[in-house]
Amino acid sequence: GQQLNQSPQSMFIQEGEDVSMNCTSSSIFNTWLWYKQDPGEGPVLLIALYKAGELTSNGRLTAQFGITRKDSFLNISASIPSDVGIYFCAGQENAGNNRKLIWGLGTSLAVNP
Amino acid sequence: KAGVTQTPRYLIKTRGQQVTLSCSPISGHRSVSWYQQTPGQGLQFLFEYFSETQRNKGNFPGRFSGRQFSNSRSEMNVSTLELGDSALYLCASSSSPQGGETQYFGPGTRLLVL
Repeated sequence: GQQLNQSPQSMFIQEGEDVSMNCTSSSIFNTWLWYKQDPGEGPVLLIALYKAGELTSNGRLTAQFGITRKDSFLNISASIPSDVGIYFCAGQENAGNNRKLIWGLGTSLAVNP
Repeated sequence: KAGVTQTPRYLIKTRGQQVTLSCSPISGHRSVSWYQQTPGQGLQFLFEYFSETQRNKGNFPGRFSGRQFSNSRSEMNVSTLELGDSALYLCASSSSPQGGETQYFGPGTRLLVL
């Protein structure tokens, strides 16, 4: 199925470092969502973006909805060990009544204490 | 509110068998979407139900089917299991059709096919 281009695929960083990941699409999206998945659990919503240019923060997390509406990034500042997990982006495209979410393949984050 | 619940959490089956997984959405949510997740493949969309009707379907064979009941609980069924069906099956609920409102995920059912 259709997927977003999410990068990087994986990251291994030291505790305290900042992290940046992004998603790009060939399609225009109306909504961007960022989820985090802990091992053995379902994804949990971190940040939702609904407007081009929107910049939203959730604690140490900041995400932006790209001006072109074809990309989004997620930043994590001052990483801690519990940030470990897989981060997914998802974009919603409008196609009449068949709106659906398109998912990235995820960015796997490892944090070295 | 209670979150999305999925049962069972773990399941082991053998090739050729069939399996039924259950998902109870957040109270008041009428949309349930199902995903298959395998390592390296991300979340693959299976289908979405809203008010007991299938609204969207992904690119999976007919062995994968689902339904939704009047109380919004949903089941998915996989018949004639294959080894490649081993995966984490996630369901997500939202108050309106997929993408209209934020989806909330359950913990998943991990299926192992031997």
